Amino acid sequence: DTAVSQTPKYLVTQMGNDKSIKCEQNLGHDTMYWYKQDSKKFLKIMFSYNNKELIINETVPNRFSPKSPDKAHLNLHINSLELGDSAVYFCASSQDRQNSPLHFGNGTRLTVT
Amino acid sequence: AQKVTQAQTEISVVEKEDVTLDCVYETRDTTYYLFWYKQPPSGELVFLIRRNSFDEQNEISGRYSWNFQKSTSSFNFTITASQVVDSAVYFCALIAQGGSEKLVFGKGTKLTVNP
Repeated sequence: DTAVSQTPKYLVTQMGNDKSIKCEQNLGHDTMYWYKQDSKKFLKIMFSYNNKELIINETVPNRFSPKSPDKAHLNLHINSLELGDSAVYFCASSQDRQNSPLHFGNGTRLTVT
Repeated sequence: AQKVTQAQTEISVVEKEDVTLDCVYETRDTTYYLFWYKQPPSGELVFLIRRNSFDEQNEISGRYSWNFQKSTSSFNFTITASQVVDSAVYFCALIAQGGSEKLVFGKGTKLTVNP
């Protein structure tokens, strides 16, 4: 029944490692997103895909690479993790890229030690 | 560029009090959409409401109401007779039709409702 599901929920890893976060939506939405929420709760968009096509790519280090194998999936791979990458990462989807409400996953809390 | 300001960082009230969360936005576009999201302590983000720039009617949903005023670029959120379960961080957000298709969030207001 879960609309937007992301795994894992928690991710603890050491600096320099590579990790991935997976996201899937079963809402039939065309657009998917990755948002980062920092320790002060500030939410900032990282990437947006529409029908597997990258449409928004914020100023994010190249170490972050999104991949959308199909429009129901948007994964986030992070290379050479740094302490500053520690945050909660939210996947979201929306019906279209204009003004539809975002449906968020439950977040992945990434801790880099 | 779009901007959303939630000047109240934290608000604390006692149960049954009414509370208003402020949201002021900036955009040069004439067509835009405003949203409110709730993030309870469990961490998920829940959509509450969407309002487009051409619809200034206030909205009421149970104990929640929203006051959209274009003249002051504000989209305030009022909770009537607050309850402990209303404790959460509330985010106001904006997307402009002619903008970069990015939903821009305010920094959030943390509401604590004490019993």
